[in-house]
Amino acid sequence: EVQLVESGGGLVQPGGSLRLSCAASGFTFSSHWMMWVRQAPGKGLEWVATIKQDGSEKYYVDSVKGRFTISRDNAKNSLYLQMNSLRAEDTAMYYCTRGAGWLVEYWGQGTLVTVSS
Amino acid sequence: DIVMTQSPDSLAVSLGERAIINCKSSQSLLSSSDNKNYLAWYQQKLGQPPKLLIIWASTRESGVPDRFSGSGSGTDFTLTISSLQAEDVAVYYCHQHFHSPLTFGGGTKVEIK
Repeated sequence: EVQLVESGGGLVQPGGSLRLSCAASGFTFSSHWMMWVRQAPGKGLEWVATIKQDGSEKYYVDSVKGRFTISRDNAKNSLYLQMNSLRAEDTAMYYCTRGAGWLVEYWGQGTLVTVSS
Repeated sequence: DIVMTQSPDSLAVSLGERAIINCKSSQSLLSSSDNKNYLAWYQQKLGQPPKLLIIWASTRESGVPDRFSGSGSGTDFTLTISSLQAEDVAVYYCHQHFHSPLTFGGGTKVEIK
């Protein structure tokens, strides 16, 4: 069974940093593209970042370029999102997702990030 | 960027009746190399993450009831729930995975009338 378990969310002040983690199990992690997708409270879904199986390609939505960094550790079956210079508009549930190609296939339960003073 | 526009924003349907959700993309999602539409549909129930229902515009994922069907090609797509059940109350999203940035429709909230 595919399992994606996010951690690392919480309350942070504007301008602060957080590092999200995602522990993957139940599949061959190194064989899949992985993505982060977020959802602001009461709003729709927004893709944030994608990373290729070996980490050699990374893609970001324009609003987070230069502030967020996606990475992975295939030896630890883990996905990460380093978030710097956080803004109020980054407040959202952040979902770790597994790709089938670029299709967002499986979703974790999410971790909530709140940016507020 | 490919913009995904869903309609309506919400709809209320009686139990057992049909619900139809539309999704329009600003560019064609049909690949000439494999003749597939890079369009998926998700269901998100309150307090849960989205669940993948339909891939390649019309292929149901394993375990998805056959009352859910997807159709369309190119830029115009439809998700149909043929006979609405109480457990189908949710927000439904379309998603294109043809070009980066990946994008989603704004969502359609389905309720019971």
